[in-house]
Amino acid sequence: DAMVIQNPRYQVTQFGKPVTLSCSQTLNHNVMYWYQQKSSQAPKLLFHYYDKDFNNEADTPDNFQSRRPNTSFCFLDIRSPGLGDAAMYLCATSREILRMNTEAFFGQGTRLTVV
Amino acid sequence: GENVEQHPSTLSVQEGDSAVIKCTYSDSASNYFPWYKQELGKRPQLIIDIRSNVGEKKDQRIAVTLNKTAKHFSLHITETQPEDSAVYFCAALGEPGRGSTLGRLYFGRGTQLTVWP
Repeated sequence: DAMVIQNPRYQVTQFGKPVTLSCSQTLNHNVMYWYQQKSSQAPKLLFHYYDKDFNNEADTPDNFQSRRPNTSFCFLDIRSPGLGDAAMYLCATSREILRMNTEAFFGQGTRLTVV
Repeated sequence: GENVEQHPSTLSVQEGDSAVIKCTYSDSASNYFPWYKQELGKRPQLIIDIRSNVGEKKDQRIAVTLNKTAKHFSLHITETQPEDSAVYFCAALGEPGRGSTLGRLYFGRGTQLTVWP
C-alpha cells in the first residue's frame, strides 16, 4: 500500500561519481519535495516541484539538481557527491502546497553512502 | 527562514509513564504545527497537528499544546507503551504567501523516544 516509493533504499556511490535517487507516487499529488536528513539533524528541504514548476531553496548547493518528467516521478541528481552529502534523502508529496490540514506523505527514504 | 528547535534529543521512559517533547519556533508567520512519528526503518507519518488558533488538541493518548506568544509547542504522550518507541519530529508551517515560511515544512531535529517494558 506504499504511496510514495523511493528507490533504492540504500545507495553507495563513489566520491565525485554522479548519482540519481528516484521517487514515485501513486497519489497523483501536485507537489513533490526532496529533503536531506543528516545524522541527528532535522530534515532539510532542498527543493520542491509544484506540478512542473521547480522551486529551489536558497541554500541548496548547485551540486543538487532535480527532474520531474511527469506527475508520478521525481528524481534527485547529485552531480559530484562529496563525503558531506552522505545522508538520508526523503521524498514527500502533498496534494497542494502545504497549508493547514494539507498532509505531507513521505517515502521511506534512500540512505546514501559516499565512499 | 524558520528555525525549529526540539528537545530533548533522546527520552527514555518506563511503560505507563508520560513523555513530553518540546519545540520552539522563530517565525511568527508559522501557523500550523504537525508532529511526525518515524519508526525504525519506516517512513515519517503524521500523528497529530495543531493550528495557531487552537491552544490544545487531544487524540486518545496523544495531546499537543501551543503557546503562540512564546512560540513553543509540545507533544504529550500519556500511558506510554513500547510501540510508542520511535523518533518524533515536530514541524512548523506557514501559509503560502505569508511571511518566509511560504508553505514550507521546517522540522526539528527529532527526539528518539524509548519506552521500556
